[in-house]
Amino acid sequence: EVQLVESGGGLVQPGGSLRLSCAASGFPFTSYWMHWVRQAPGKGLVWVSRINNDGSSTSDANSVKGRFTISRDNVRNTLYLQMSSLRAEDTAIYYCARSRQSATYFDSWGQGTLLTVSS
Amino acid sequence: QPVLTQPPSASASLGASVTLTCTLSSGYRNYKVDWYQQRPGQGPRFVMRLGTGGIVGSEGDGIPDRFSVSGSGLNRYLTIKNIQEEDESDYYCATDHGSGSSFVWVFGPGTRLTVL
Repeated sequence: EVQLVESGGGLVQPGGSLRLSCAASGFPFTSYWMHWVRQAPGKGLVWVSRINNDGSSTSDANSVKGRFTISRDNVRNTLYLQMSSLRAEDTAIYYCARSRQSATYFDSWGQGTLLTVSS
Repeated sequence: QPVLTQPPSASASLGASVTLTCTLSSGYRNYKVDWYQQRPGQGPRFVMRLGTGGIVGSEGDGIPDRFSVSGSGLNRYLTIKNIQEEDESDYYCATDHGSGSSFVWVFGPGTRLTVL
């Protein structure tokens, strides 16, 4: 069974940093691109970042460029999102999701982890 | 990059059919569109991908055959037949654009489906 389990969310002050993790199991992790997608309270889905199979290529939404860094550990089957210079508008549930290079839709999602940025 | 437009809400009676619409911005007529379902309090779930020739690949896990997709021009449709209570959800369309470090994904604002 495919499982994506996010962790690391919490309350952070504006300007602070935090790292989210997503533990993957039940599928060949290195065969998939991985993504972070977020959802502010009561709002819609917003794609955040993507990383390819071996971590050599990434892309980010303009709203997080220069502040967030996506990475992966293919030995630990874990996806990360290092977030810095956090703002109130980064408050959201952060979901990890997977896709294939040949089929770029998000075919499996985690249940999300909540980040709250507030003083 | 493309922009996706969706009406904020839709409703249908139990057992009826409903068609949800997602509209691509001008110039992106040939783009594939993906549909996602998000039930209250849950993470999103992939429904299916619609290309210019119809569904691409397979439906998402557990998606019943009451769900189908179609398209016309810039519009992409998700039709749900014989609506059940469990279909009450937010439905998002999405597409991707670019390549390499410029590869981005875009979601529509979502349509909340209410089952009457």
